[in-house]
Amino acid sequence: EAQVTQNPRYLITVTGKKLTVTCSQNMNHEYMSWYRQDPGLGLRQIYYSMNVEVTDKGDVPEGYKVSRKEKRNFPLILESPSPNQTSLYFCASSLTGGAGYGYTFGSGTRLTVV
Amino acid sequence: QQPVQSPQAVILREGEDAVINCSSSKALYSVHWYRQKHGEAPVFLMILLKGGEQKGHDKISASFNEKKQQSSLYLTASQLSYSGTYFCGTIRLNTGNQFYFGTGTSLTVIP
Repeated sequence: EAQVTQNPRYLITVTGKKLTVTCSQNMNHEYMSWYRQDPGLGLRQIYYSMNVEVTDKGDVPEGYKVSRKEKRNFPLILESPSPNQTSLYFCASSLTGGAGYGYTFGSGTRLTVV
Repeated sequence: QQPVQSPQAVILREGEDAVINCSSSKALYSVHWYRQKHGEAPVFLMILLKGGEQKGHDKISASFNEKKQQSSLYLTASQLSYSGTYFCGTIRLNTGNQFYFGTGTSLTVIP
């Protein structure tokens, strides 16, 4: 089944403890992206990647890191999480950059930083 | 800056029609539409690439007015399954592949 898989679905962590949210797609998509969703603010792009080893900042990249070493994987790294990073995170992929193809989203990761 | 959607929320009875608008202050290259049900991920509905393009899927269709930097989503004869939050999304010209979602419209269909 074509899908984007995110793990974990739920995560509670403490301030400053490094964490990684994994994202993997099995559709051979070139474009992958991370979003956070907050009430009243909608979906905001954190980082995106056009292909392996190519990443760019979105609207809200501060406090996050990403890497794209393989086409299928695009992990989101929070080196020192803070409470303002408590949010619902989505990974998404598309065949190519978002102009011509829709995005397939993962199921989401609800992160709480205390 | 995010595209602005209107209305913010709408409640319909089954069978009624609705229009959701998406406006941008910047020139648009393409417009996507997504629906997100509560507690779930957004699901892609359709994409419009060219100004003037209109598309339809079942009883949901959309149009894209490039000159006005606007897109509209039309839901006709609404069904209970149409309930959710609808987002437009866009790539703005000259911003590479950065993608912006609209502010969202909550649609509730009641029996």
